[in-house]
Amino acid sequence: GAVVSQHPSWVICKSGTSVKIECRSLDFQATTMFWYRQFPKQSLMLMATSNEGSKATYEQGVEKDKFLINHASLTLSTLTVTSAHPEDSSFYICSASFNSPLHFGNGTRLTVT
Amino acid sequence: DAKTTQPPSMDCAEGRAANLPCNHSTISGNEYVYWYRQIHSQGPQYIIHGLKNNETNEMASLIITEDRKSSTLILPHATLRDTAVYYCIVTGAAGNKLTFGGGTRVLVKP
Repeated sequence: GAVVSQHPSWVICKSGTSVKIECRSLDFQATTMFWYRQFPKQSLMLMATSNEGSKATYEQGVEKDKFLINHASLTLSTLTVTSAHPEDSSFYICSASFNSPLHFGNGTRLTVT
Repeated sequence: DAKTTQPPSMDCAEGRAANLPCNHSTISGNEYVYWYRQIHSQGPQYIIHGLKNNETNEMASLIITEDRKSSTLILPHATLRDTAVYYCIVTGAAGNKLTFGGGTRVLVKP
């Protein structure tokens, strides 16, 4: 079946630094990928839609200058959390689809100290 | 996309069938019902989806009522590894972004 890989699976960084998370579709090409965020004991919240070769579309309330998304190829999208702060600590999950259904990566747990 | 309503939690016994209900009374004619589950600290896993006919795969069965206003996910023989949060999602297009609600936290007990 379709496989979506995320890297790293966890990361700890200091406040004020930037962190890049990679999302790869391993056995299919994905023109569209989605980035979600999940806080403890809450559901997944869509952050943005990443389109290959064009600018990402951000959900209301998500700062595009803080969460930089690059979808440079049909198999790779990256999310960079810039100038991270402790409140950015969360579980970040990407997803991609080829036809149907949407498949998810295993998430990246970000802890900002 | 239509909103869904699920019970917040349920327990079931290992080896027994688990029946997870979902209400989606505002579903429109071209919207699909998708089920995903999320095991702790992992990404959501696709289980099954359907439009109006009942569906079955190696993981589960999906029963959709004739008026399509509700559905039931059936795990035929629950195991401890089926403990997870199960999400019922209605969406209009294949591969479209998914909006997650609260889901049902299922605890399979020995």
